[in-house]
Amino acid sequence: DSGVTQTPKHLITATGQRVTLRCSPRSGDLSVYWYQQSLDQGLQFLIQYYNGEERAKGNILERFSAQQFPDLHSELNLSSLELGDSALYFCASSAGQGLGSPLHFGNGTRLTVT
Amino acid sequence: GIQVEQSPPDLILQEGANSTLRCNFSDSVNNLQWFHQNPWGQLINLFYIPSGTKQNGRLSATTVATERYSLLYISSSQTTDSGVYFCAVLPFMNYGGSQGNLIFGKGTKLSVKP
Repeated sequence: DSGVTQTPKHLITATGQRVTLRCSPRSGDLSVYWYQQSLDQGLQFLIQYYNGEERAKGNILERFSAQQFPDLHSELNLSSLELGDSALYFCASSAGQGLGSPLHFGNGTRLTVT
Repeated sequence: GIQVEQSPPDLILQEGANSTLRCNFSDSVNNLQWFHQNPWGQLINLFYIPSGTKQNGRLSATTVATERYSLLYISSSQTTDSGVYFCAVLPFMNYGGSQGNLIFGKGTKLSVKP
């Protein structure tokens, strides 16, 4: 068990809808990262938060947004969903800003858009 | 940008066999991690190893940063070792300053037969 908790495990929704994925980092970790893994794209970095502030942005679409709350949990909001958004979404956490410490992943949320 | 090449791409072993997975990278790195993604999709951090050698049970890893490669050794393989093994590196000149900029290799898919 990595200590990173993601909910829900599975999500099935229709095109055009909006969903929220939730992540609780490992105890003591201040950085939270979101990744998308699809069959054809591999693991894609979306965004990182550190202690409540956006720290780095990757290939995150404008339809997607995230935030990190004072208790350090994070939410990833996906809106106007398209079929191509179907993927496994991972949250990961690391200590500090994370450059010198391991990255620990949650079990992921499998999103299916129909 | 930095290139990360993992070999072999696929590996089939009989239970009890040993194996060596390789990760070559094309530029200096200050962060290298090995991950195992099991058949259920869970991504598990095996080692944070920018240099040197580490061991954890039947697994060990060695990174020779000056020669730009890392090796993951699996001894006495078990069926539970099946899955994809990813090497991920952070270039030394990481202007973004974030582990979100970790570059993942395409992985080695390992199948351990009983």
